[in-house]
Amino acid sequence: GAVVSQHPSWVICKSGTSVKIECRSLDFQATTMFWYRQFPKQSLMLMATSNEGSKATYEQGVEKDKFLINHASLTLSTLTVTSAHPEDSSFYICSASAPGTDTQYFGPGTRLTVL
Amino acid sequence: QQQVKQSPQSLIVQKGGISIINCAYENTAFDYFPWYQQFPGKGPALLIAIRPDVSEKKEGRFTISFNKSAKQFSLHIMDSQPGDSATYFCAASHQGGKLIFGQGTELSVKP
Repeated sequence: GAVVSQHPSWVICKSGTSVKIECRSLDFQATTMFWYRQFPKQSLMLMATSNEGSKATYEQGVEKDKFLINHASLTLSTLTVTSAHPEDSSFYICSASAPGTDTQYFGPGTRLTVL
Repeated sequence: QQQVKQSPQSLIVQKGGISIINCAYENTAFDYFPWYQQFPGKGPALLIAIRPDVSEKKEGRFTISFNKSAKQFSLHIMDSQPGDSATYFCAASHQGGKLIFGQGTELSVKP
């Protein structure tokens, strides 16, 4: 089956610092990757859609200057949380889909805690 | 019109019983309906998916029933086991685009 990895699995940082989260598709090429955040006991909230080689499309209300997304290759997308604050603490999950398919495969998630 | 409504919010089932989770959608352009299973602290895992040209799809103990005219679909878990205890999300998408998720159902299967 298709495997998507994320790194790191958890990170603790101080307020004001930036954190980068990597999302990789290990056994398929992903033309499209998606970034979600999830609060406890809640559903997944889509933050942005990322297509390889082009700018990400952000959902309404998501600050593109705060959540920088780069999709430089067909197997790697990164999410950088800039100047993180405690309210950015959340579970961040990426997903990836192969060309011509509807199926999204999710990564294991990254737990971000901002002190 | 982009919403997917999921119920119940939580469900308790005895071991060996049938778990049923329902979802309803409004956008008739949706053409792909997956179900995901999520354990605490983990990412969602694809369980089973269906397209609107099929009324039912079965994979092992998991069955999706799809009612196109009512714009509803449901997940049935037969012979539910304690290991099935997790949060289940229905979702819908159009032409491989972004997934619209339901609110989630926390399933607890009692031994």
